[in-house]
Amino acid sequence: AQRVTQPEKLLSVFKGAPVELKCNYSYSGSPELFWYVQYSRQRLQLLLRHISRESIKGFTADLNKGETSFHLKKPFAQEEDSAMYYCALRGGNKLVFGAGTILRVKS
Amino acid sequence: NAGVTQTPKFQVLKTGQSMTLQCAQDMNHEYMSWYRQDPGMGLRLIHYSVGAGITDQGEVPNGYNVSRSTTEDFPLRLLSAAPSQTSVYFCATWDRSTGYEQYFGPGTRLTVT
Repeated sequence: AQRVTQPEKLLSVFKGAPVELKCNYSYSGSPELFWYVQYSRQRLQLLLRHISRESIKGFTADLNKGETSFHLKKPFAQEEDSAMYYCALRGGNKLVFGAGTILRVKS
Repeated sequence: NAGVTQTPKFQVLKTGQSMTLQCAQDMNHEYMSWYRQDPGMGLRLIHYSVGAGITDQGEVPNGYNVSRSTTEDFPLRLLSAAPSQTSVYFCATWDRSTGYEQYFGPGTRLTVT
């Protein structure tokens, strides 16, 4: 079975502070991990995926198979980063999401 | 190019009533999924389909039925609504051609009283 754990329901940081949203997964096969974001009054959308190894809006995430983690990081938070963030794992034809973390960036 | 559309946007049902949530896509994606979003629970997969005529259960299928007669449409049926089905429902489409990126609809907010 595939499982995604996001331990923090809410993460509150000040503008300019570093951000790390945690994600751990459980999957017996070769995982494919994603981060999705939902801004206020917008649709859920893909932020980044581990196979692309890219930085989107200053966010990066590295897959650590030893620790089964895929944490999302940004060195300097901006107010427009405030949103709900979901970590997701694709196993076969299913995409399973974590419970989500609300990121609040305070000015 | 509308992408993924869902109707209705809002719905209030009484316990025991049935209804169908509609989802349509014009991107010719093979895969479609239904999720429910609940506070503290995240997005949970209800049912999904890998092509017309093929459906399978997700994490929380009880109380819901789906069918996929065309590539474009993937309706979700609530057979006998219960207060526990109060939620926001999202439809998503995806494909190998998108690198398995899922495209989401705007959601349907359902309240069962």
